Amino acid sequence: DGGITQSPKYLFRKEGQNVTLSCEQNLNHDAMYWYRQDPGQGLRLIYYSQIVNDFQKGDIAEGYSVSREKKESFPLTVTSAQKNPTAFYLCASSPTPGTGEYEQYFGPGTRLTVT
Amino acid sequence: QKEVEQNSGPLSVPEGAIASLNCTYSDRVSQSFFWYRQYSGKSPELIMSIYSNGDKEDGRFTAQLNKASQYVSLLIRDSQPSDSATYLCAVKRGGYNKLIFGAGTRLAVHP
Repeated sequence: DGGITQSPKYLFRKEGQNVTLSCEQNLNHDAMYWYRQDPGQGLRLIYYSQIVNDFQKGDIAEGYSVSREKKESFPLTVTSAQKNPTAFYLCASSPTPGTGEYEQYFGPGTRLTVT
Repeated sequence: QKEVEQNSGPLSVPEGAIASLNCTYSDRVSQSFFWYRQYSGKSPELIMSIYSNGDKEDGRFTAQLNKASQYVSLLIRDSQPSDSATYLCAVKRGGYNKLIFGAGTRLAVHP
C-alpha cells in the first residue's frame, strides 16, 4: 500500500532532550513537509523540502532541524532549544512541484509530550 | 488579519441536512484551495481541491470558490453523524507548494 508512515505514534521525553520523529513515504513524491498542530489551532509549517538534499525553513523553524538524504525520508529533530515542544506533529508529502498537482497528503502523526 | 479565517464553530446540523462551511483568505493572488477533514486525534484527510471559480462536486461534497470575494466554501449534502469532524481550509501560498491552514470549523451532525 502506498502511503506515509510516521513513528512512533506517541512519544514522551524529558525536558532538555533532543528527539527525532520519523517520516517515510512510498508515494514517490518529491516534496515533503513537517507541520505542528496545537489544540484548537490550525497547522503551522515547520520545515519543507522540495527535493533531496534541499530543505527550507517554514514559519516556526526555531528549535527544529531536518535532513533529506533520501527521497522517501524526512526526519524531524525537536531540539532542547524548542521552548514548547509538546504538540501533534504531522508529516505530509506532495507530488513534484510544477506539475500542477498541489495536494498534500498526511501521515498519521506523532503526538509528542515533553515534561 | 489571519491569512485564512474560518469560524471555529461548532456548527451543529441535523442528520440529512446540508452543512455549509466557510473560509475567507487574505492573499488575493492565491490560486489553489483545499478542504481537509480531521477526526479528533487523527491526521487531516484531503476531501476536495478547487482551483477555478465556481462549483466542484464530488459525491455529497461541493466546493465553491469565489476569487473576487476571496471566499471558498464546502457544502456537505445529506449530512451524516460520521461527518462530525473538524474541517480545515487550506490555501496555497506563492510559487512554492506551501499551504496556509485555517484553524478549522468543528461540525457536529446530530441524529
